[in-house]
Amino acid sequence: GENVEQHPSTLSVQEGDSAVIKCTYSDSASNYFPWYKQELGKRPQLIIDIRSNVGEKKDQRIAVTLNKTAKHFSLHITETQPEDSAVYFCAGGSNYKLTFGKGTLLTVNP
Amino acid sequence: SAVISQKPSRDICQRGTSLTIQCQVDSQVTMMFWYRQQPGQSLTLIATANQGSEATYESGFVIDKFPISRPNLTFSTLTVSNMSPEDSSIYLCSVDLDEQFFGPGTRLTVL
Repeated sequence: GENVEQHPSTLSVQEGDSAVIKCTYSDSASNYFPWYKQELGKRPQLIIDIRSNVGEKKDQRIAVTLNKTAKHFSLHITETQPEDSAVYFCAGGSNYKLTFGKGTLLTVNP
Repeated sequence: SAVISQKPSRDICQRGTSLTIQCQVDSQVTMMFWYRQQPGQSLTLIATANQGSEATYESGFVIDKFPISRPNLTFSTLTVSNMSPEDSSIYLCSVDLDEQFFGPGTRLTVL
């Protein structure tokens, strides 16, 4: 089955800096890679996703890149704000089955 | 997206008992999923529930422990049977609408 590795497990940045979280996957058949943000005590919230026919996708301050050859994908957050502080999960698979990474605790310091 | 609700939002149960968690969505969806999120951990898929067929369980999860119902396209239940403290966790349902959206979760504590 699919195996998704996520790094780093914790990330601390200053407000206004960029943050990058990286994930690798093992199953070359995986074609869908969403990213979720989970604030303490809340449900995971989809923030951006990318499918295997696209190399990059951007939504305001958030972007995701996908390298199918190397089987890795990354989340980029620019101009970070304190409200970006949360746990971020990557996932890989298909619409029918997702495997999640272990999560990254992002702290944005004012 | 979709409006997804779960009941109960939290519960404290005694070991050996069972709890049924309900998931309701405001639109018809083919696929619903049940996940477990242990404290401070990631999300683990328990099973996929399709209307009109048996649920498909992931490795490490069995129907006797986690029976699932899917009576229609907007509703599903997950039962956690014969509970032990190790079952203390957050249980989340999700739906596939070309993207996966999660319900608010049920926080279960087993004493």
